[in-house]
Amino acid sequence: EDQVTQSPEALRLQEGESSSLNCSYTVSGLRGLFWYRQDPGKGPEFLFTLYSAGEEKEKERLKATLTKKESFLHITAPKPEDSATYLCAVQAHITGNQFYFGTGTSLTVIP
Amino acid sequence: DARVTQTPRDKVTEMGQEVTMRCQPILGHNTVFWYRQTMMQGLELLAYFRNRAPLDDSGMPKDRFSAEMPDATLATLKIQPSEPRDSAVYFCASGLNQLNEQFFGPGTRLTVL
Repeated sequence: EDQVTQSPEALRLQEGESSSLNCSYTVSGLRGLFWYRQDPGKGPEFLFTLYSAGEEKEKERLKATLTKKESFLHITAPKPEDSATYLCAVQAHITGNQFYFGTGTSLTVIP
Repeated sequence: DARVTQTPRDKVTEMGQEVTMRCQPILGHNTVFWYRQTMMQGLELLAYFRNRAPLDDSGMPKDRFSAEMPDATLATLKIQPSEPRDSAVYFCASGLNQLNEQFFGPGTRLTVL
């Protein structure tokens, strides 16, 4: 059973068109949920860590939120440079020290 | 500008050969991670270390993979013998602890023929 599921797999937005990416998780006893951005041919770049339901974090046009079952990455008025794959990962007490990554959402922002 | 370095950046080898990948974590970071990324499986955690001691290697095939930290400035991932299914991009990341941000290296693209 997948621990982390991201949707949609791919998203195309016009510049300025706000939207949200979803990360749902099935692990219990969450230690942390992580969002990363990955550009082609590069390693992931850290964006946020969320620890408990109700927590929110913001960085420029990005805002991450967390509930007991899922996290959303909201992108407000995106720009072409926001185009990348966005990865979500979880670490849970019940699974020991393992991290589980989703397969990502590929975002394309069209000028 | 502190960053994680990995060598080699690209490696092409034949099935059965030994492959060693190296990683230099950011100075002062005490946690080092090894990941593998493929189109089919996405990003998978293979192993990680804290203060050079292995904390978890449950994601790693034990029969052919081994990970070590000979010292605080070097982490190695070895595959012996390599197989075509090991073809992937291998990332090293370092951080101050497992719940803080992880800084990823540029990756080693491994192709096993």
